[in-house]
Amino acid sequence: AQKVTQAQTEISVVEKEDVTLDCVYETRDTTYYLFWYKQPPSGELVFLIRRNSFDEQNEISGRYSWNFQKSTSSFNFTITASQVVDSAVYFCALRRDDKIIFGKGTRLHILP
Amino acid sequence: DVKVTQSSRYLVKRTGEKVFLECVQDMDHENMFWYRQDPGLGLRLIYFSYDVKMKEKGDIPEGYSVSREKKERFSLILESASTNQTSMYLCASRTGVWNSPLHFGNGTRLTVT
Repeated sequence: AQKVTQAQTEISVVEKEDVTLDCVYETRDTTYYLFWYKQPPSGELVFLIRRNSFDEQNEISGRYSWNFQKSTSSFNFTITASQVVDSAVYFCALRRDDKIIFGKGTRLHILP
Repeated sequence: DVKVTQSSRYLVKRTGEKVFLECVQDMDHENMFWYRQDPGLGLRLIYFSYDVKMKEKGDIPEGYSVSREKKERFSLILESASTNQTSMYLCASRTGVWNSPLHFGNGTRLTVT
């Protein structure tokens, strides 16, 4: 089966703390793409990052960083020095054939 | 920036009504998608389309149909709405490039009473 698991349903942290959102995937494909999306309270999902299966380098973009490990089939997302504006639902996704399948999402609350 | 526009933010319909959800994108994207989002279930793919007049079933197509007569427009149709179709519906589009990300609209929250 090909699927994406986000075991953390909901997380609350105090502002300025670091937080990691976990994503574990299953796929039979040797070539695949993984994505992270953010859904703020306004509702529109926003694309954050794409990673292909041949590129295991970690990526950093400002306060955001992603750790891709094929050995554990994980693609975790870390927010450093969290801010209230980071409060949202975050989805991890996997390209399967011509579709993109999503995990169930992690709702992140950043408390002031 | 890509703009994906869903015609209604909120809709309330009665059981048995025929419901049309409209989605328009302005970036000449080949692929378009309809998802529904429910608490605890995440996003589930209903239908998608590679190009005009083409459609493919997603993971939960039962009770739905789609229409893509023009490249920029992808309609989701509930032939006879039922209460279990109360949900948030999200439209998305992307280019035909294999690794391109999805661009989403703001969603339509449909309530069937």
